[in-house]
Amino acid sequence: SAVISQKPSRDICQRGTSLTIQCQVDSQVTMMFWYRQQPGQSLTLIATANQGSEATYESGFVIDKFPISRPNLTFSTLTVSNMSPEDSSIYLCSVGTGRRELFFGSGTQLSVL
Amino acid sequence: SQKIEQNSEALNIQEGKTATLTCNYTNYSPAYLQWYRQDPGRGPVFLLLIRENEKEKRKERLKVTFDTTLKQSLFHITASQPADSATYLCALDNTNQAGTALIFGKGTTLSVSS
Repeated sequence: SAVISQKPSRDICQRGTSLTIQCQVDSQVTMMFWYRQQPGQSLTLIATANQGSEATYESGFVIDKFPISRPNLTFSTLTVSNMSPEDSSIYLCSVGTGRRELFFGSGTQLSVL
Repeated sequence: SQKIEQNSEALNIQEGKTATLTCNYTNYSPAYLQWYRQDPGRGPVFLLLIRENEKEKRKERLKVTFDTTLKQSLFHITASQPADSATYLCALDNTNQAGTALIFGKGTTLSVSS
């Protein structure tokens, strides 16, 4: 298993600003994923972040809007840039450990005014 | 287009009854299907995984079935308790590589009343 610490747990931000979300894992993992969960919607994959390579973004998500860093095997950040109210959502960090199931952080509840 | 549908957004049952949640998918051929539980303000937590060649999987009061012909999974909680109240998500694993990203349904919110 893996224990994931995600910070901040929630934030209220002004339009046009940026927020960086941190994800710390208690063990080394190869695969890290960032998901978004909008109200009443399913978890949507934003990108896959592997250490030592550029993140791979899903359709509809771009690096300029959601830059990701993965400096080592236990840490990643997701930045939500130039925020608008449409970015209000829960952002979740997730890891794969070589088994099929994923482990998730508690999420970051973001509200953009 | 590809879709994952969980039959209802909300399900209300009495304590002690069996809760049955449905997950249907189209235009996928998942090798594995997983079920997660999500409590408010928390990330999803893994419950059960079932492979395409398995018909049924059990874990304590939980049972999952997987019918690749119907493209459907059923998730049962027997002898339900108020503590089982949560949102339950089904997720598809569409690859041959372990630890890859999953595709999730919207979830069904279960409320068990005493």
